[in-house]
Amino acid sequence: ETGVTQTPRHLVMGMTNKKSLKCEQHLGHNAMYWYKQSAKKPLELMFVYNFKEQTENNSVPSRFSPECPNSSHLFLHLHTLQPEDSALYLCASSQDWGRAVEKLFFGSGTQLSVL
Amino acid sequence: DAKTTQPPSMDCAEGRAANLPCNHSTISGNEYVYWYRQIHSQGPQYIIHGLKNNETNEMASLIITEDRKSSTLILPHATLRDTAVYYCIVRTGANNLFFGTGTRLTVIP
Repeated sequence: ETGVTQTPRHLVMGMTNKKSLKCEQHLGHNAMYWYKQSAKKPLELMFVYNFKEQTENNSVPSRFSPECPNSSHLFLHLHTLQPEDSALYLCASSQDWGRAVEKLFFGSGTQLSVL
Repeated sequence: DAKTTQPPSMDCAEGRAANLPCNHSTISGNEYVYWYRQIHSQGPQYIIHGLKNNETNEMASLIITEDRKSSTLILPHATLRDTAVYYCIVRTGANNLFFGTGTRLTVIP
């Protein structure tokens, strides 16, 4: 248990569906992250939020829409996804963003399949 | 961030020390070396980090060469539960954590 909880653990959706991934951290951290991990590929950073403000958007398509209502919760809203978006989506948190030493704590991820 | 080079895979006998190398020849003076691991279908787990000095914690030891161009992560007594992909990352505070392909460590009974 890392203190970062992601739901759902697994998700299957059609290309016309709208769904949301949820992440919650109980560590009192100020920064939260979304990473994508496709099969056989390295983790890709998608978004970074620091104190609820988006600090990084790593050229992510607009069909992925993040939301950070407070420092403890992070959502990833999904709509009109493509089959190539099937991947493990990982949420992480850290005490702050941009410090020289920063440990990230990851959730277990949501395994997404787009049909 | 400096690039890192790791062997794609390694085996280690259970109970023996696992020594995982990482080359980071272009590391700059203010970049830290981090190690994470990812057990299958889970999120990465922080292991250890260091700047210049060798570091040890309850999970592992990190040995950084004097010129800082390479480092070695040591798991002193590998168990089957240590089978995972191990990532070596270098970064400054101004950059985010970018993962490469890592080393797939298999601990053999």
